[in-house]
Amino acid sequence: GAGVSQSPSNKVTEKGKDVELRCDPISGHTALYWYRQSLGQGLEFLIYFQGNSAPDKSGLPSDRFSAERTGGSVSTLTIQRTQQEDSAVYLCASSLGVGKNTEAFFGQGTRLTVV
Amino acid sequence: AQRVTQPEKLLSVFKGAPVELKCNYSYSGSPELFWYVQYSRQRLQLLLRHISRESIKGFTADLNKGETSFHLKKPFAQEEDSAMYYCALSGTNSGYALNFGKGTSLLVTP
Repeated sequence: GAGVSQSPSNKVTEKGKDVELRCDPISGHTALYWYRQSLGQGLEFLIYFQGNSAPDKSGLPSDRFSAERTGGSVSTLTIQRTQQEDSAVYLCASSLGVGKNTEAFFGQGTRLTVV
Repeated sequence: AQRVTQPEKLLSVFKGAPVELKCNYSYSGSPELFWYVQYSRQRLQLLLRHISRESIKGFTADLNKGETSFHLKKPFAQEEDSAMYYCALSGTNSGYALNFGKGTSLLVTP
């Protein structure tokens, strides 16, 4: 594919259920970032991967959030026991590497609604 | 701590008028500054970065370290410029992750 792909585009889930959000980065991009876009909070950084390693998880809002990346490619963001405040658009971005002025390419996002 | 402030939530201008979207930042070091744009129903995309010192779609932005600002300017706004604009800062922490402002919605009316 030409760009970063995220699935699903939309997800409605019941409070307390677990959800998995998927990100397919641009082929060859070693760096991958997850952000959350919510009303009032703007765009918040969650976690990044360099290859399969996540050196900085400080942006994850709680221990219900986790992420992994396999094969230096696909990444999954998992939210356990979802709460209504988790409702947001979750964005994934990838870049050639981690470094100054490296352009980040964004996916179209997954809109998560917790009811 | 690093912070990006975009004071205007919404900016409305007439077609052909000049436009300036404000961005101020705080960072103890030498940050990289970016402007990202999100058109309706499209994904977030890079508009320009300060290091390039280029003009994209007629937009320019100059990094003013004294005023810690990175305002986005265009002399003659077009209707197709209507979009959400985000100023972002990247430093050495968190793998150069982007720290975004809350965004300014630009509406250009005929």
